Amino acid sequence: GAGVSQSPRYKVAKRGQDVALRCDPISGHVSLFWYQQALGQGPEFLTYFQNEAQLDKSGLPSDRFFAERPEGSVSTLKIQRTQQEDSAVYLCASSLTASGDPGELFFGEGSRLTVL
Amino acid sequence: AQTVTQSQPEMSVQEAETVTLSCTYDTSESDYYLFWYKQPPSRQMILVIRQEAYKQQNATENRFSVNFQKAAKSFSLKISDSQLGDAAMYFCAYRSIMEGTSGTYKYIFGTGTRLKVLA
Repeated sequence: GAGVSQSPRYKVAKRGQDVALRCDPISGHVSLFWYQQALGQGPEFLTYFQNEAQLDKSGLPSDRFFAERPEGSVSTLKIQRTQQEDSAVYLCASSLTASGDPGELFFGEGSRLTVL
Repeated sequence: AQTVTQSQPEMSVQEAETVTLSCTYDTSESDYYLFWYKQPPSRQMILVIRQEAYKQQNATENRFSVNFQKAAKSFSLKISDSQLGDAAMYFCAYRSIMEGTSGTYKYIFGTGTRLKVLA
């Protein structure tokens, strides 16, 4: 596709349920970021991939959060045993380069997670 | 650690008028990148303008320009001839030039300013 695609766009989960959020970056983009955006707030960094390597997961709030990008393209963010505080929009962004001049960061439309 | 602060939660501007959105940041680095991103309602975030800290000249993109004051660590966005389509959340963001110890190039975002454009 032409842009970053995220699915599902909306997800309602019961507390304790596991969820998986998918990100399809722009083809050929090396860098992939996951951000969490709470209502009325700016995006907060979760994790970063350079191709298939997860170079930074310092922003993941707990060990219930797990992300992978096994073939260096599609990425999945998994949240186990969801809690109400996990309710947020999860943004995926990709960039062509990994270093040097930062090419434009392209964002998906986000996955809005609501935990009841 | 770097921080980005946007002190204006909401701004309003009359159509065709000019508005300035404020952003300050804190860093001990000498070289870095600064960005303004626009997030329309229910749509993805898009890049508006970027500034390299080593460039003294302020960046401009059509109706959008920045006032970059490195010593003051200030990076404001000026929107001229405001249009209804400019209504959105605007986020200021910072990115290091040098990679972190883990090889990450984190983008650090402010909390955003909601811009309303009045017809």
